[in-house]
Amino acid sequence: EAGVAQSPRYKIIEKRQSVAFWCNPISGHATLYWYQQILGQGPKLLIQFQNNGVVDDSQLPKDRFSAERLKGVDSTLKIQPAKLEDSAVYLCASNLRGPHTGELFFGEGSRLTVL
Amino acid sequence: GDSVTQMEGPVTLSEEAFLTINCTYTATGYPSLFWYVQYPGEGLQLLLKATKADDKGSNKGFEATYRKETTSFHLEKGSVQVSDSAVYFCALSLQGAQKLVFGQGTRLTINP
Repeated sequence: EAGVAQSPRYKIIEKRQSVAFWCNPISGHATLYWYQQILGQGPKLLIQFQNNGVVDDSQLPKDRFSAERLKGVDSTLKIQPAKLEDSAVYLCASNLRGPHTGELFFGEGSRLTVL
Repeated sequence: GDSVTQMEGPVTLSEEAFLTINCTYTATGYPSLFWYVQYPGEGLQLLLKATKADDKGSNKGFEATYRKETTSFHLEKGSVQVSDSAVYFCALSLQGAQKLVFGQGTRLTINP
């Protein structure tokens, strides 16, 4: 079974530039999550989708971050314009049901460096 | 709010030593508790979980018991190996919230 795919693995940009990350979850997984992991910290949820609807985006900085999940399959996370503090690993995860009952499957992450 | 606190790292042990990584939580309801592990160059993966008080989760020689009275979920292993070197994350989820809340992670290094 193929795992959660993310791209690009690494991205270096200058502040005020834009960047987009892509995620393809495990086939059939209805729930998709984007987490931000800053160096030395645990992952923090940015946004959660159930199929193509948003369940929770309370911690997404909506002035600069946006995410979509067209057709309830793959998803894109965009940052525009980027700030220095956005340097982090962006993790995508998916599962069949919510995490309370099931296991989250994570991709390897996309590491962003903002200069 | 709901939160998870892990012991400060990094932790360095010799092979075959006993391991404990402390984890305590704060939650308004009755959470499920998890330990996730991140090996070098790999994504996070579930190590073990417990869904109610007094449950014990176990996998790969690791164990953790859900202690409601102390709001804890400490990770233990009787004899660690070099291959256990990784970053370990404690996490919780609340039914209805449908999301994981992670601790800050503990980096473990095992020396031969």
